[in-house]
Amino acid sequence: DVKVTQSSRYLVKRTGEKVFLECVQDMDHENMFWYRQDPGLGLRLIYFSYDVKMKEKGDIPEGYSVSREKKERFSLILESASTNQTSMYLCASSSPRQGPRQPQHFGDGTRLSIL
Amino acid sequence: TQLLEQSPQFLSIQEGENLTVYCNSSSVFSSLQWYRQEPGEGPVLLVTVVTGGEVKKLKRLTFQFGDARKDSSLHITAAQPGDTGLYLCAGAGGSNYKLTFGKGTLLTVNP
Repeated sequence: DVKVTQSSRYLVKRTGEKVFLECVQDMDHENMFWYRQDPGLGLRLIYFSYDVKMKEKGDIPEGYSVSREKKERFSLILESASTNQTSMYLCASSSPRQGPRQPQHFGDGTRLSIL
Repeated sequence: TQLLEQSPQFLSIQEGENLTVYCNSSSVFSSLQWYRQEPGEGPVLLVTVVTGGEVKKLKRLTFQFGDARKDSSLHITAAQPGDTGLYLCAGAGGSNYKLTFGKGTLLTVNP
């Protein structure tokens, strides 16, 4: 079974702090994704990466950056946390080898609160 | 930007009833995926449809991809309380098959 592990289930930080969210997958997947999920807005893509050291902006990259130094690990960084970044953050991975049928495998999410 | 309109946003029904969730777009997708998410967990894939007109059945769930590959539906027959959850449709496009998600349908099946 594919396992996507997010480092924290719940996290509370203060405005202005630098926040790191970590995600690790164990299936040697090339693609990794960071989403945020908010009520009424669904899942919105923040950043994705299709290879080590490669990254592309998603739909809402402002205020975020990412790092992919190793294939299995994809980190989301909030450079200076703000209250409007309070949300559920979901990491996912997939393999392009399956073509259009490739599913995304999700972690259980990190519920981040910025005070 | 590709958009997926999912409806209804909320659905509360009694056990044994049938229901349909719709996912519509003006864009063509390479594939359409349906996920189910339970509280405190990440979404889990239910099915992927690729071919226009494709119909897939998963026990009491029937998924259909529109002929033009722009829309999809999920039909549940004789809903059970265990079907309760957030249902998400997602369209895949582009060379990396990036997903565009609908906003989700929160289904509650009352015993």
